Amino acid sequence: GENVEQHPSTLSVQEGDSAVIKCTYSDSASNYFPWYKQELGKGPQLIIDIRSNVGEKKDQRIAVTLNKTAKHFSLHITETQPEDSAVYFCAATIPRGFQKLVFGTGTRLLVSP
Amino acid sequence: GAVVSQHPSWVICKSGTSVKIECRSLDFQATTMFWYRQFPKQSLMLMATSNEGSKATYEQGVEKDKFLINHASLTLSTLTVTSAHPEDSSFYICSAREQTQETQYFGPGTRLLVL
Repeated sequence: GENVEQHPSTLSVQEGDSAVIKCTYSDSASNYFPWYKQELGKGPQLIIDIRSNVGEKKDQRIAVTLNKTAKHFSLHITETQPEDSAVYFCAATIPRGFQKLVFGTGTRLLVSP
Repeated sequence: GAVVSQHPSWVICKSGTSVKIECRSLDFQATTMFWYRQFPKQSLMLMATSNEGSKATYEQGVEKDKFLINHASLTLSTLTVTSAHPEDSSFYICSAREQTQETQYFGPGTRLLVL
């Protein structure tokens, strides 16, 4: 079955720096890759997603890149702000049946002022 | 758009009682809803998938008689934790997805504490 690995598990940056979180997946048929931000005590919030027919997508300070050949995708946050501090999860869709999401283990991002 | 609500946001109950958690899609019709469980500092663990009008499909190791799921309408799914025990204490999160769409939108979660 699909397996998603995520690195790093924790990431500390200074305000204004960039942050990069990387994920790899195992099922080459996976075709949808969302990223979620989860603040303490809250549900995950979709921040950006990418489909397998696209190599890069950007939304203001957030961008996601996808390398299908290598089966990895990354989240890039530029000009980080303290309010970006949260846990970020990558996920990949199993392209069969109910199209369930398989989540990575999460990255705890801390942005220091 | 794409708002999912959960009720209650937190609940404390005595061991042996049953607890019902509601998940609603507020501005779209959710043909599929998912129920997850999350332990502190861990990722989301899928418990079951429910499609409107049909029985839920449970993940391996999840007791279907313990965690009853009903998806009676296109905007409402419920999770009932039956005869709850302290080990059932956790953060329960639902998500909803429109037909033909890949994106899952998550609710705010329900924190359950069983004493």
